[in-house]
Amino acid sequence: AQSVTQLGSHVSVSEGALVLLRCNYSSSVPPYLFWYVQYPNQGLQLLLKYTTGATLVKGINGFEAEFKKSETSFHLTKPSAHMSDAAEYFCAVSDQAGYSTLTFGKGTMLLVSP
Amino acid sequence: DAGVTQSPTHLIKTRGQQVTLRCSPKSGHDTVSWYQQALGQGPQFIFQYYEEEERQRGNFPDRFSGHQFPNYSSELNVNALLLGDSALYLCASSFLGPKTEAFFGQGTRLTVV
Repeated sequence: AQSVTQLGSHVSVSEGALVLLRCNYSSSVPPYLFWYVQYPNQGLQLLLKYTTGATLVKGINGFEAEFKKSETSFHLTKPSAHMSDAAEYFCAVSDQAGYSTLTFGKGTMLLVSP
Repeated sequence: DAGVTQSPTHLIKTRGQQVTLRCSPKSGHDTVSWYQQALGQGPQFIFQYYEEEERQRGNFPDRFSGHQFPNYSSELNVNALLLGDSALYLCASSFLGPKTEAFFGQGTRLTVV
């Protein structure tokens, strides 16, 4: 069975500061990993994904994440936070059994102060 | 491209009632998955439909059922509603396969009173 753990239900940063959202996964097979963002009363939007190849993945809005197999981690970073980045972020893992179902973490709410 | 559309956006039902939620996938997508997102939680997988059949199911009781139509649109039905069924129900469409991006609709907010 797969699982995702997101450390910190809330993360607060100042505008312009580094954003770091942590995600650790558990999977019996090499995982496919995703980060999604959810704005209030909205659905989920894909930020970036790792399937195979380069372990540093760049996404939309200046976000990137690095797959570290030895640490079973897929942390999300952004060098400089913007007020518009305030939202909830979900890390997810996909099984490789031929389906596209996702197992999500509980989410991290990113708060950005001026 | 309209993306994934869900209806209705909000719904209030009474305990014991039945509800049907609808989803139209993104143009070209053939796979529809449903997720339940309780307040303060991440989405939980309910089931997935492909070629009008339920292909995979999460840990949800039989009160949750679904259907996929020939045009790939889908319905989620919940019978004998419980207060704990109150949640945001998200529909995601994709191509079948673990690498593909799932596109999510805005969700249906179901409140059971």
